[in-house]
Amino acid sequence: DAGVIQSPRHEVTEMGQEVTLRCKPISGHDYLFWYRQTMMRGLELLIYFNNNVPIDDSGMPEDRFSAKMPNASFSTLKIQPSEPRDSAVYFCASSSDRGHGYTFGSGTRLTVV
Amino acid sequence: GENVEQHPSTLSVQEGDSAVIKCTYSDSASNYFPWYKQELGKGPQLIIDIRSNVGEKKDQRIAVTLNKTAKHFSLHITETQPEDSAVYFCAASPLGPLAGSARQLTFGSGTQLTVLP
Repeated sequence: DAGVIQSPRHEVTEMGQEVTLRCKPISGHDYLFWYRQTMMRGLELLIYFNNNVPIDDSGMPEDRFSAKMPNASFSTLKIQPSEPRDSAVYFCASSSDRGHGYTFGSGTRLTVV
Repeated sequence: GENVEQHPSTLSVQEGDSAVIKCTYSDSASNYFPWYKQELGKGPQLIIDIRSNVGEKKDQRIAVTLNKTAKHFSLHITETQPEDSAVYFCAASPLGPLAGSARQLTFGSGTQLTVLP
């Protein structure tokens, strides 16, 4: 199993531009999570899905952030328009009711200049 | 909601010594407590977890203890090695073990462990 796959690994964009982060969960996992990691705030849960349905998006900071999961093997996190304070590492993780804990991807390091 | 506090934020030990990281949680409904290790440039990786029906769990040099009455749990690493150097996160979830897997994990703030050769 290739694990949770995120792309891109690094993204540098200008303020105001749209950014799309992508995630492929582990096959058979029915939960998918998006986290943001910064030095100041640590790991913050942004949103999570169960069977492709968003369950809790209370961690999404603003309307500029949106997430979708069109099918069991793909999810996107979109920021539009991006701002410098969005600079962080964004992690995707997946899990299943039969498994143990989360499996995290390698993350996307986003820099907004 | 759940609040997880983790101490210390940094920890340096000599190679071969033991390291202990402690966490407390606030939600008495929490019953799943995993620990993650994050190496530089990588995502957190699950290293050990414990459920509320168990007081202690061990896996080679790593052990976790849980005190539900006091709402705290700890990670113990014995015979530390340089490759143990990383950031360690504790986490807690209020969701029941009957479902098998935690969903909304709340993470501690992390401990930077440095093992000195």
